[in-house]
Amino acid sequence: DTGVSQDPRHKITKRGQNVTFRCDPISEHNRLYWYRQTLGQGPEFLTYFQNEAQLEKSRLLSDRFSAERPKGSFSTLEIQRTEQGDSAMYLCASSLRHNYGYTFGSGTRLTVV
Amino acid sequence: DAKTTQPPSMDCAEGRAANLPCNHSTISGNEYVYWYRQIHSQGPQYIIHGLKNNETNEMASLIITEDRKSSTLILPHATLRDTAVYYCIVRVAGGTSYGKLTFGQGTILTVHP
Repeated sequence: DTGVSQDPRHKITKRGQNVTFRCDPISEHNRLYWYRQTLGQGPEFLTYFQNEAQLEKSRLLSDRFSAERPKGSFSTLEIQRTEQGDSAMYLCASSLRHNYGYTFGSGTRLTVV
Repeated sequence: DAKTTQPPSMDCAEGRAANLPCNHSTISGNEYVYWYRQIHSQGPQYIIHGLKNNETNEMASLIITEDRKSSTLILPHATLRDTAVYYCIVRVAGGTSYGKLTFGQGTILTVHP
């Protein structure tokens, strides 16, 4: 068990470009979550998967954001046509059951210039 | 999910117990109290959770009042590595929003030598 892995750790992109982040959860965890955290704020929920099914999406997840979890294993979060307001830390977490504690990854820090 | 209120910051001397309070006066009967912490530049770390009984694990103790309207996280022997933002979260264990943790501003705990 190596924990939740996120790749890349840092990403700098120009406004208007597309970016994709990857999350590898703990192998036996069937629940996977994406959060976003801006400077000085607590993390904000984006979306939730149980196995391959995306069961919940926040209103924060605009049409430019899409998340997938093919085969219920790793997950990707894509942001199309990035904007400066997308600059944030994107956190992935996984859990075995919904009432257990979540294990978070170290996040991907996105900077849009 | 019920809202929580935490002091914005607290100090603690190394080796002493750190007692972090949280008010959740609107908590309902099926809502758990969770505590997470976030050390600078890392993802949140799960600490402990409980429903109505006091809980203890290798990291901390959670004391929930009998009316469940408040709780206290206790770090029995604080170390410098416990310096972090501590989040108290109240959430339903099931239902349609079971994927979502709502993080507030948290308490910045600073442990001094």
